[in-house]
Amino acid sequence: EAQVTQNPRYLITVTGKKLTVTCSQNMNHEYMSWYRQDPGLGLRQIYYSMNVEVTDKGDVPEGYKVSRKEKRNFPLILESPSPNQTSLYFCASSFERGGPYNEQFFGPGTRLTVL
Amino acid sequence: AQSVTQLGSHVSVSEGALVLLRCNYSSSVPPYLFWYVQYPNQGLQLLLKYTSAATLVKGINGFEAEFKKSETSFHLTKPSAHMSDAAEYFCAVRGNSGYALNFGKGTSLLVTP
Repeated sequence: EAQVTQNPRYLITVTGKKLTVTCSQNMNHEYMSWYRQDPGLGLRQIYYSMNVEVTDKGDVPEGYKVSRKEKRNFPLILESPSPNQTSLYFCASSFERGGPYNEQFFGPGTRLTVL
Repeated sequence: AQSVTQLGSHVSVSEGALVLLRCNYSSSVPPYLFWYVQYPNQGLQLLLKYTSAATLVKGINGFEAEFKKSETSFHLTKPSAHMSDAAEYFCAVRGNSGYALNFGKGTSLLVTP
């Protein structure tokens, strides 16, 4: 089944404790992206990657890191989480060669709480 | 930069009534426009997309949207609401040369019996 998977789905942590949220897709998509969703703000892009070893900042990259060592994986790293990073996080991927009108496929989300 | 504005953070309709969710876009290049739906505790799912092939776009679950360049709008409609349509709906835009998908703030649709 074609899908985007994220782990963990739920995470409660404390300020300053490094964490990684994994994202994996099995559709051989070039493009992958991370979004955060906050009430009243919609989805905002954190980072994106056009292909292996190619990443770039989105609208709200502060406090986050990403890496793209393999085409299928795009982990989101919070080196020192803070309470303002409490949010619902989504990973998405799409096939880029056809053009920017291609659908982005979303993972199920990771609900992160930073105490 | 491309952006979208969704008018109305909450919309309530009766079951069987017309659903109209509003989205206006801003783009200096021909836009690619999308509507996504998010059911409770789930990820986003594509409803439909506009790619300049046709101004009236039909999507899944009976939804459709019409691209109106003169009004810079891409409103989502469904003739008859079902209880199962209750969800959060997001309009999004992407430019011809950009990679980011810019989302609106979302509209929560409530369907009452």
